[in-house]
Amino acid sequence: SQQGEEDPQALSIQEGENATMNCSYKTSINNLQWYRQNSGRGLVHLILIRSNEREKHSGRLRVTLDTSKKSSSLLITASRAADTASYFCATAGDFMRFGAGTRLTVKP
Amino acid sequence: DAGVIQSPRHEVTEMGQEVTLRCKPISGHNSLFWYRQTMMRGLELLIYFNNNVPIDDSGMPEDRFSAKMPNASFSTLKIQPSEPRDSAVYFCASRRATGAVNTEAFFGQGTRLTVV
Repeated sequence: SQQGEEDPQALSIQEGENATMNCSYKTSINNLQWYRQNSGRGLVHLILIRSNEREKHSGRLRVTLDTSKKSSSLLITASRAADTASYFCATAGDFMRFGAGTRLTVKP
Repeated sequence: DAGVIQSPRHEVTEMGQEVTLRCKPISGHNSLFWYRQTMMRGLELLIYFNNNVPIDDSGMPEDRFSAKMPNASFSTLKIQPSEPRDSAVYFCASRRATGAVNTEAFFGQGTRLTVV
């Protein structure tokens, strides 16, 4: 299976704090992608990190990838209430399978 | 581009009826996915097409479910007959896949299906 598994299942923080979510996977990958889903909406792509990259930044997002441990982390800095959503990782082989996601709540 | 377009956005139907969900992928994308999302089971991959050909349908729950992609710009997911346990949000997603490089996927807004 190329499914990623996110951890923790739920995370609640105050606005301004940083949020860290983790993803573990089992197979070798070409790249790993993170997505966000707002309630009742489709998933939106956030960031893609290739297997030969160790860290990538996009605005307030920072993604790391450790292929030796088959894990990735997503850090959201200076969180905002609008960051409240579910976050998913996908190990982007052919079949794009997702884990259960991390439900992030940012309290104003 | 208008993005991935799904129709209808909401569907309420009676048990036993046939339901057809529709998806128009982004122009130029050659891979298409159908997903089902419920609170209990999360986001499940139902079927994956590449260049209009079904590659993996192992996620299709039963023979009651069928999916087609007659051309690069249209796909359908049909449930016949529908049952209450089919109630879920169904998402379609597309992406451009070139060889070993897979790009980001774009999701439609989903179809919320309620079977009563």
